[in-house]
Amino acid sequence: KNEVEQSPQNLTAQEGEFITINCSYSVGISALHWLQQHPGGGIVSLFMLSSGKKKHGRLIATINIQEKHSSLHITASHPRDSAVYICAVLYNTDKLIFGTGTRLQVFP
Amino acid sequence: KAGVTQTPRYLIKTRGQQVTLSCSPISGHRSVSWYQQTPGQGLQFLFEYFSETQRNKGNFPGRFSGRQFSNSRSEMNVSTLELGDSALYLCASSLRPREAFYEQYFGPGTRLTVT
Repeated sequence: KNEVEQSPQNLTAQEGEFITINCSYSVGISALHWLQQHPGGGIVSLFMLSSGKKKHGRLIATINIQEKHSSLHITASHPRDSAVYICAVLYNTDKLIFGTGTRLQVFP
Repeated sequence: KAGVTQTPRYLIKTRGQQVTLSCSPISGHRSVSWYQQTPGQGLQFLFEYFSETQRNKGNFPGRFSGRQFSNSRSEMNVSTLELGDSALYLCASSLRPREAFYEQYFGPGTRLTVT
């Protein structure tokens, strides 16, 4: 069993839909990252959080430390949101484990 | 401010050869981390350097090595290349080491193909 599990693996949506991507982990963590990877490979760090909730534009990330679970929400999705979303957890202060990613396609 | 740059962007090598990849961090950033991404294994951490010292190393064989220079630029080297080393190699920089929870900024990656 992977220490970081993401669901779903693949997700398709119509423009405007509300999207949720989930990340569950089995280790005690220091922080959790949400990353976005576009075709071609470039990775952008979206959020780094260790508790609560963060919002940036149409993106919202939440984390529940007790339940070892985080969600990434996209409101009013747009085709430019199409990408692979990766969650990564930092544990033992310096070890980083990545989830396998969620491939999102948003159609106009 | 210029972003993280990696050179070369694409590389084709033959089994048994060695390769050196370069990463220039964002100005002022002193931490550089390297990652390998393959379709089968996803993203995996290779190593992290801060102030010219390797702070952490992932679970990779000794064929994978790296170093960091006084200007924070970093190189990684893979010797005796194997077909399985074909991957996208990403580097990321941050102001401080990862345990300080500083955000990492990723470069565009170097796509290495081993034939």
